[in-house]
Amino acid sequence: EAQVTQNPRYLITVTGKKLTVTCSQNMNHEYMSWYRQDPGLGLRQIYYSMNVEVTDKGDVPEGYKVSRKEKRNFPLILESPSPNQTSLYFCASRLELGSYEQYFGPGTRLTVT
Amino acid sequence: DQQVKQNSPSLSVQEGRISILNCDYTNSMFDYFLWYKKYPAEGPTFLISISSIKDKNEDGRFTVFLNKSAKHLSLHIVPSQPGDSAVYFCAGRLQGAQKLVFGQGTRLTINP
Repeated sequence: EAQVTQNPRYLITVTGKKLTVTCSQNMNHEYMSWYRQDPGLGLRQIYYSMNVEVTDKGDVPEGYKVSRKEKRNFPLILESPSPNQTSLYFCASRLELGSYEQYFGPGTRLTVT
Repeated sequence: DQQVKQNSPSLSVQEGRISILNCDYTNSMFDYFLWYKKYPAEGPTFLISISSIKDKNEDGRFTVFLNKSAKHLSLHIVPSQPGDSAVYFCAGRLQGAQKLVFGQGTRLTINP
């Protein structure tokens, strides 16, 4: 089954404790991205990757890092989480940059206290 | 700067009637518009798209209309069914950058 998976689905952590949210897709998609969803703000792009070893900032990259060492995986790293990073996070992939249909993971609800 | 706006946070419609979800945009450089549907505890799923050179696209019960002069698009669902209750996001794809810009979402509730 074609899918995007994220782990963990729920996470409660404390300020400053480094964490990683994993994302994996099995569709051999080139393009992957991370979004956060906040009330009244919709989905905002954090980082994106056009292919292995190619990443770039989205609209709200501060406080986040990503890496793309393999085509299928695109982890999101919070080196020192803060309460304003409490949000619902989605990983997404699409076949290539020119595609418009995106496939989303199920989401990770992160709470930073 | 919110380039894609969904001004109605919520909409309630009776089962069997038409649901109309609206979206406005400010950037003329969008070449595609898309609608995504999101159920609780799930990621958004692609619903329907329209090219900026078209004014209508239909897929079963779902029709998207694009009015370029007004920079407005709408999603019509006819007839509405209880399973249509979800949050709907509209998005525009920026020509060249290929980036998707999402609206804030509209929560649609279909009442029996």
